[in-house]
Amino acid sequence: GQSLEQPSEVTAVEGAIVQINCTYQTSGFYGLSWYQQHDGGAPTFLSYNALDGLEETGRFSSFLSRSDSYGYLLLQELQMKDSASYFCAGGGDDKIIFGKGTRLHILP
Amino acid sequence: SQTIHQWPATLVQPVGSPLSLECTVEGTSNPNLYWYRQAAGRGLQLLFYSVGIGQISSEVPQNLSASRPQDRQFILSSKKLLLSDSGFYLCAWSLLAGGSGTDTQYFGPGTRLTVL
Repeated sequence: GQSLEQPSEVTAVEGAIVQINCTYQTSGFYGLSWYQQHDGGAPTFLSYNALDGLEETGRFSSFLSRSDSYGYLLLQELQMKDSASYFCAGGGDDKIIFGKGTRLHILP
Repeated sequence: SQTIHQWPATLVQPVGSPLSLECTVEGTSNPNLYWYRQAAGRGLQLLFYSVGIGQISSEVPQNLSASRPQDRQFILSSKKLLLSDSGFYLCAWSLLAGGSGTDTQYFGPGTRLTVL
């Protein structure tokens, strides 16, 4: 079957660093994506890892290890506006599968 | 640039009434199109996807149906709504450009449906 597992909630302090992990089992896997969703809004694309290693985009980085079926999203210099749900997603062919999402709480 | 539209933004419907939600994409051709439903505080459930006009794949058996009458138009319908159909409905598109092209999805603003 196809599934992606991620923690349901993570809490961190403003200005700190937080890592959100994702493990997966998907057939025909092409890569791992990350999406951000604020309350009441639609998910927005953050990053995509097709190859093993670290991809950096500003304060956000994403990592993939195909041999471990594992990836993570790293958020640095946390800001209150980063409070949101984060979804990992993977798959291939015509569709992708989303994890159930990690709710990130940021404390001042 | 590409944009995706969904309407209406919010909808309140009685149980047993019909439903029609529309999604259109601008600025791209032959996109993959998707309908998702998200219950409050939950993940994204894929309902239907389409790789071309008239081609619909259903992921979850239910009282919903989807149609793609034009290349950039995707419609979600129901003949009789159930209470359990309440949720946040999201349309998304992705490029059909080999396997990696399906891994980036762009979402519309969503329709919040409440069935009473």
